[in-house]
Amino acid sequence: GAGVSQSPSNKVTEKGKDVELRCDPISGHTALYWYRQSLGQGLEFLIYFQGNSAPDKSGLPSDRFSAERTGGSVSTLTIQRTQQEDSAVYLCASSLVGRGDYEQYFGPGTRLTVT
Amino acid sequence: GDSVTQMEGPVTLSEEACLTINCTYTATGYPSLFWYVQYPGEGLQLLLKATKADDKGSNKGFEATYRKETTSFHLEKGSVQVSDSAVYFCALSDAGGSYIPTFGRGTSLIVHP
Repeated sequence: GAGVSQSPSNKVTEKGKDVELRCDPISGHTALYWYRQSLGQGLEFLIYFQGNSAPDKSGLPSDRFSAERTGGSVSTLTIQRTQQEDSAVYLCASSLVGRGDYEQYFGPGTRLTVT
Repeated sequence: GDSVTQMEGPVTLSEEACLTINCTYTATGYPSLFWYVQYPGEGLQLLLKATKADDKGSNKGFEATYRKETTSFHLEKGSVQVSDSAVYFCALSDAGGSYIPTFGRGTSLIVHP
């Protein structure tokens, strides 16, 4: 079946511009996660959605970052006024249920480069 | 809080060599433990997992045993292939309630022919 998809696969933007990154999770998965992966670093948790509950935004690094999930499915991560330190690979993952011991299915990521 | 420590990479091996990637963890409860693998240009995918002490996870010739006494979950393979070249992430989650897994920093494996 279809896995987690993300778009675009690559995004180059100028400093100060806004960007939107999209994630399509596996159908039926109630939990959705966003992570950031910087060169040589592990996965940095950004935000978590579970069903219709309020999202856990505790990992967002600044108020320039926001995310929404419409209809319990597609999610968009928005970065406003991008900075060079925002350059990274942004990974989306979904899980059947919102428990950490369930397998997460990752998308291929969006590589963001801020020039 | 919970944490995962992995050995630094890159690990460089010749084909058919033995592999061990060390992973140790700190957790307050009884976590589930995972190894994820990330092939070049792809997202992470689950390689194996173990949910309780002394469990052994295995997949594609890789194995890892949940050792509560040493708080470790080392990844092993007896004979690596070039196609095993990837980044390997150790992770844990608190099955009791936390919905956000904790990942290690990843260990790059390079296998030469």
